Amino acid sequence: EPEVTQTPSHQVTQMGQEVILRCVPISNHLYFYWYRQILGQKVEFLVSFYNNEISEKSEIFDDQFSVERPDGSNFTLKIRSTKLEDSAMYFCASWTALNYGYTFGSGTRLTVV
Amino acid sequence: KNQVEQSPQSLIILEGKNCTLQCNYTVSPFSNLRWYKQDTGRGPVSLTIMTFSENTKSNGRYTATLDADTKQSSLHITASQLSDSASYICVVSAITGGGNKLTFGTGTQLKVEL
Repeated sequence: EPEVTQTPSHQVTQMGQEVILRCVPISNHLYFYWYRQILGQKVEFLVSFYNNEISEKSEIFDDQFSVERPDGSNFTLKIRSTKLEDSAMYFCASWTALNYGYTFGSGTRLTVV
Repeated sequence: KNQVEQSPQSLIILEGKNCTLQCNYTVSPFSNLRWYKQDTGRGPVSLTIMTFSENTKSNGRYTATLDADTKQSSLHITASQLSDSASYICVVSAITGGGNKLTFGTGTQLKVEL
């Protein structure tokens, strides 16, 4: 079964540093998403991406965040200057309107110290 | 504001027993309702997906129900196993300009014991 792949599985970074989280969505999916889950809290929507541009974003997704699809396969989330409160699991997901399938990656655990 | 509420927050049952988890939602425009299982430190894995017109859907020992009028759903797990210990999350989908946007509940933490 097709999978969404995320790397790295765990990243530790110092406060103020830039991080890039990487995702390889399912190849025939057209919509891509980032969600995050702070420890002990529910999963929250960050951003959706379609046709090479952001189609929707939440209030969490401020100017410190950016997304990119630099080539035909990767989908990245960049945090420019990490804060302690950015520590969370970040999940990438992809979806196609052809069915109701919505597939999540295994997540990247980001720890900001 | 779109919201999904789940109960109970946590549940402990003995192996082999059945349990039912509840979900109430206020999401618009409603597209479908999903139940996910999430193991600690892992991504959510889909168990069932139901559209507006479906009121029950089964996947093995998991049976989900949906009452679109009262905006309630339940997930019934039969003959529980130790491997069922996980967080069960009710997720409601809305089709928006951003495609398929999911609103997550806070989950029910299920622990199955011997």
